[in-house]
Amino acid sequence: EAGVVQSPRYKIIEKKQPVAFWCNPISGHNTLYWYLQNLGQGPELLIRYENEEAVDDSQLPKDRFSAERLKGVDSTLKIQPAELGDSAVYLCASSLTPADTQYFGPGTRLTVL
Amino acid sequence: GQSLEQPSEVTAVEGAIVQINCTYQTSGFYGLSWYQQHDGGAPTFLSYNALDGLEETGRFSSFLSRSDSYGYLLLQELQMKDSASYFCAVRVGYSGAGSYQLTFGKGTKLSVIP
Repeated sequence: EAGVVQSPRYKIIEKKQPVAFWCNPISGHNTLYWYLQNLGQGPELLIRYENEEAVDDSQLPKDRFSAERLKGVDSTLKIQPAELGDSAVYLCASSLTPADTQYFGPGTRLTVL
Repeated sequence: GQSLEQPSEVTAVEGAIVQINCTYQTSGFYGLSWYQQHDGGAPTFLSYNALDGLEETGRFSSFLSRSDSYGYLLLQELQMKDSASYFCAVRVGYSGAGSYQLTFGKGTKLSVIP
């Protein structure tokens, strides 16, 4: 069974530029999560989707971050414009239901110059 | 909110046993999870304890004491490939049917030396 797929794996951009990350969850997993992981820290939840509905986006900085999961499968996380402090690893995870184990993708390492 | 405490670094010898402790403060506690993450890799699920006691999975065991708000991950017969960061994470429930949130600690970097 394929795991959570994310792309790109690495992204380097100049500050003020836009950037987008893509995630394909494990087949059949209705719940999808985006996390932010800074160096030496644990993952921090940005947003959680139940199918195509964002049910917990309280930690998403909505002035510059946006996410979508239009058909309840793939998801995209966007930052516009990026700031130096956005340099981090962006992790996507999925689970069958909110009560089940979360499985993580390899992440996208973003560097903002 | 939630807070979790775990040691930042641990070093152990190949073949030995190591215990990584985790203490937490939270409301709405449902259980404690452990994840392993190698440098540049994805966090990988290791175990989940919802009830008090010890859960064993091969060389890894995880323990929970709800009354003490404490848990640990025990790694036996350490191998070089066990060098990684280990995160404890509390699962908390909040208003709304079936709503859960996973909050991670800062991680413990385990170095296994020959």
